Amino acid sequence: QKEVEQDPGPLSVPEGAIVSLNCTYSNSAFQYFMWYRQYSRKGPELLMYTYSSGNKEDGRFTAQVDKSSKYISLFIRDSQPSDSATYLCAVNYGGSQGNLIFGKGTKLSVKP
Amino acid sequence: NAGVMQNPRHLVRRRGQEARLRCSPMKGHSHVYWYRQLPEEGLKFMVYLQKENIIDESGMPKERFSAEFPKEGPSILRIQQVVRGDSAAYFCASSPPRGRNSPLHFGNGTRLTVT
Repeated sequence: QKEVEQDPGPLSVPEGAIVSLNCTYSNSAFQYFMWYRQYSRKGPELLMYTYSSGNKEDGRFTAQVDKSSKYISLFIRDSQPSDSATYLCAVNYGGSQGNLIFGKGTKLSVKP
Repeated sequence: NAGVMQNPRHLVRRRGQEARLRCSPMKGHSHVYWYRQLPEEGLKFMVYLQKENIIDESGMPKERFSAEFPKEGPSILRIQQVVRGDSAAYFCASSPPRGRNSPLHFGNGTRLTVT
């Protein structure tokens, strides 16, 4: 079993839709959970960063962590064409801020 | 407000040549990480460095790959005798000193093509 599983998509939605992106992880020792957005030919850009179970909101983005189910989600409200990108979830054990373990990414396309 | 700077953006090497990838971390960041992204694959951790010190190289291939982060200047990822399988995007990330609890910030990568 891979440490982080993520549906690669592609996922296509109309502008204004609510988008739900999900990852599962295998090791309950993971403590930090992140979502990165990666545009084509660019580096990953940090969107959300959380430590605990529950929800964290930032503008149109909400990150949700359920440690009991080992499940993390990113919700995008009122999606825009500019949200079209690949979304990567990442986890790590804490202690060191490096050695992130990434999912393979979900490619999202928001159609005008 | 410079972010993580990587150069070159694109690098073409013939099989057997050496590739040198450079990374300058964000201002105030003293920790550097290298990741590799193969086509259709996720980002894979390679190595974690502080100034003049390799902290974790558990993701580095055992041969031909090395990394350094000298006291002065950028971090360097060096690949000797490149092979076609080394073709990938190589990303550098940086973070502040430990204890500041800040996640990683990535550069835009170097795309290595081995012909």
